[in-house]
Amino acid sequence: DIQLTQSPSFLSASVGDRVTITCRASQGISIYLAWYQQKPGKAPKLLIYAASTLQSGVPSRFSGSGSGTEFTLTISSLQPEDFATYYCQQVNSYPRTFGQGTKVEIK
Amino acid sequence: QVQLQESGPGLVRPSQTLSLTCTVSGGSISSGSNYWNWIRQPAGKGLEWIGRIYASGSTNYNPSLESRVTISVDASKKQISLKLGSVTAADTAVYFCARDGGTAFPYLDYWGQGTLVTVSS
Repeated sequence: DIQLTQSPSFLSASVGDRVTITCRASQGISIYLAWYQQKPGKAPKLLIYAASTLQSGVPSRFSGSGSGTEFTLTISSLQPEDFATYYCQQVNSYPRTFGQGTKVEIK
Repeated sequence: QVQLQESGPGLVRPSQTLSLTCTVSGGSISSGSNYWNWIRQPAGKGLEWIGRIYASGSTNYNPSLESRVTISVDASKKQISLKLGSVTAADTAVYFCARDGGTAFPYLDYWGQGTLVTVSS
């Protein structure tokens, strides 16, 4: 199985801050990576696919980059509604796997 | 707009079989290259992919669960079913169904709200 390791696992930031989350894959996955946002009690929501493509309707302050084994999700200016947990997922091979999550707290 | 809704018993006894249904509305199960996935999430923990099915019945399963899992589809009812046998407390989780677009778009773009299943005697 491909393991995805996210860092950090938790972060606290202020409104307006630039936030970066990293996802590292245990082996190369090209650009077959997605980022999801999950709020408490809700289903995950697709934010970014193919490592860097913004899903329709997602604010442009979210961006993704990377290929191979290292990927990043960046929120350019953190908003109060961005309080959530973020997960990366690889779709390069089976079984599909997720990172352990990064919880973003608003200071 | 595609909508997915999970349903099923909220409580399952240990060693029994967990059975859930995902009903799709706003679109056809058989249209395009769509696959229908099950994912679960224990309370306070991360996401685990269980498996997926195509309208034809073709499946992919997580090897860690494959011996206990069956995913099936009833296109006429627009339903996808999950059966997980020999459950233990470790199978207690919120279970989600979600759609991916197959080879062209293997990402989970539509999700159900999730349903909590507790395994307890």
